[in-house]
Amino acid sequence: DAGVTQSPTHLIKTRGQQVTLRCSPKSGHDTVSWYQQALGQGPQFIFQYYEEEERQRGNFPDRFSGHQFPNYSSELNVNALLLGDSALYLCASSFVGDTQYFGPGTRLTVL
Amino acid sequence: AQRVTQPEKLLSVFKGAPVELKCNYSYSGSPELFWYVQYSRQRLQLLLRHISRESIKGFTADLNKGETSFHLKKPFAQEEDSAMYYCALPSYGGSQGNLIFGKGTKLSVKP
Repeated sequence: DAGVTQSPTHLIKTRGQQVTLRCSPKSGHDTVSWYQQALGQGPQFIFQYYEEEERQRGNFPDRFSGHQFPNYSSELNVNALLLGDSALYLCASSFVGDTQYFGPGTRLTVL
Repeated sequence: AQRVTQPEKLLSVFKGAPVELKCNYSYSGSPELFWYVQYSRQRLQLLLRHISRESIKGFTADLNKGETSFHLKKPFAQEEDSAMYYCALPSYGGSQGNLIFGKGTKLSVKP
């Protein structure tokens, strides 16, 4: 089991563009959470998906949206990118919201 | 509001010295607490969780409800312990919620 995988590894976008990040959960996991980690900060919760629905949401604007597919994989979409969206985006998976296991992250740079 | 505080950004010790990484939390109730570790160029991984009472890689952490603390301790630091350490609290106190992270403490163990 490769554990939680994320793609792409790195991404460079310009302000105003849109981006999609992808996550495949650890085998046997059904819940996916997304976090944003700015430089020098701890991860900050964006939202969590379970049974293809957003179950919880952190304090992030509507520009951040997501989706979970029937195979439990997930996407994070960010519209109208701002410079401040530059960060490491982490995906974590768990079984029914138990202990979360993290992926390697996607480094997003907005120019 | 629930919060996790790690007062030290950087902790530097010599090999063989005791180490204590501080974590204080704000939550009314009996929380589940976690320590995550991120070694250089590796993903965030669970080090230990309060409820399991395990000792992982020689690290232990005791929940002190009176002081609302969950400090991470190791009697004899090793160079391979050098990493970023994050304390985390589930938003609902139990393991089902999203995680609230502290800003992290960078542990540097010198030879």
